[in-house]
Amino acid sequence: DVKVTQSSRYLVKRTGEKVFLECVQDMDHENMFWYRQDPGLGLRLIYFSYDVKMKEKGDIPEGYSVSREKKERFSLILESASTNQTSMYLCASSFYLGLGGISYEQYFGPGTRLTVT
Amino acid sequence: QKEVEQNSGPLSVPEGAIASLNCTYSDRGSQSFFWYRQYSGKSPELIMFIYSNGDKEDGRFTAQLNKASQYVSLLIRDSQPSDSATYLCAVKVGIGKTSYDKVIFGPGTSLSVIP
Repeated sequence: DVKVTQSSRYLVKRTGEKVFLECVQDMDHENMFWYRQDPGLGLRLIYFSYDVKMKEKGDIPEGYSVSREKKERFSLILESASTNQTSMYLCASSFYLGLGGISYEQYFGPGTRLTVT
Repeated sequence: QKEVEQNSGPLSVPEGAIASLNCTYSDRGSQSFFWYRQYSGKSPELIMFIYSNGDKEDGRFTAQLNKASQYVSLLIRDSQPSDSATYLCAVKVGIGKTSYDKVIFGPGTSLSVIP
């Protein structure tokens, strides 16, 4: 079974702190993603990576950065945490399956509920 | 702005009924479509994907796709209380590179199956 793990289930940080969220997948997936999920807003893509050291901005990258030094690990960094970054953070990974790579499944980690006070 | 929209919900159906979940998308170039189920406090998990017009059936679940109308739906037959969850519609939008694609999620529809 594919396994995506995240470093913490719950995290409480203070405003202005630098926060690291770690994600590790064990299936040699090329693609990895960071989302945040907020009530009424659904899943919003922060950043994604399609290869080691490669990254692309998602829909809401402001205030975040990422690092992918190894294929299995994708880190999300909050440079200076703010209260509006209180949210559930979900990491996901994927590879291609199906004909011609036109469909694929994203496998999600358990999530990190971050509270910034 | 590429968008994916879903019924606002919550949707309540009695046990044994058919639950119908709808999703529309704005990007005509969208290629693949997914339905994820998310139980409260848990992560999303894929239950269906579809990429051709028409119906795709898997057990009690049927996904329907109409690319001309930019519409995808999920039908759950013989709904069970265990189907109570939030259902997320997701659409894969290729952005011109071969090795990865962007997936946009809708806000989700909360389904409650009443025993």
